[in-house]
Amino acid sequence: NAGVTQTPKFQVLKTGQSMTLQCAQDMNHEYMSWYRQDPGMGLRLIHYSVGAGITDQGEVPNGYNVSRSTTEDFPLRLLSAAPSQTSVYFCASRGDTNTEAFFGQGTRLTVV
Amino acid sequence: TQLLEQSPQFLSIQEGENLTVYCNSSSVFSSLQWYRQEPGEGPVLLVTVVTGGEVKKLKRLTFQFGDARKDSSLHITAAQTGDTGLYLCAGVDSGGGADGLTFGKGTHLIIQP
Repeated sequence: NAGVTQTPKFQVLKTGQSMTLQCAQDMNHEYMSWYRQDPGMGLRLIHYSVGAGITDQGEVPNGYNVSRSTTEDFPLRLLSAAPSQTSVYFCASRGDTNTEAFFGQGTRLTVV
Repeated sequence: TQLLEQSPQFLSIQEGENLTVYCNSSSVFSSLQWYRQEPGEGPVLLVTVVTGGEVKKLKRLTFQFGDARKDSSLHITAAQTGDTGLYLCAGVDSGGGADGLTFGKGTHLIIQP
């Protein structure tokens, strides 16, 4: 089973560039979330979705956009990359609020 | 905003020793999850505790949910080098805001041979 698939695994961007981090899940989960993980800060929620067509902001949404046109896909867009967005990004999915979160392998992003 | 405080933040011990990691909050959660994350990978669920006072065992790992469902502990007996990793607790709050899952900042555990 593929589970949650994130691409790319590594990315280097220049300040001001835009890019999309891809996330796909094959478990028919309604809940999907994007987190960033920084040393000493833990996992911080960027955006989340409770179903196709529904998205909402998390703890640190500035500089990021999301959309959820299908149940399977939940891309994260960086509109104009900044060095402060250098981080490891994780996508996760769950069937509902009480169940296990399945994480992708992460995307390590460096903005120079 | 619900917060989960994990302690210690870092722990380095010798193989064979016992250890306990704590996860504390002032908020009540409907359940609490423990995840383990290895370098270069995403977190993977170890266990979910649901009932206040519940104790679950996973081989040498013992998880306990506080009676008031505000705190939890992870005890490892006779630690092995394979236990090395980042341990994260996550509180589940079905009626809360955001996506209903609050993560602690994690405990970095290193087991030395």
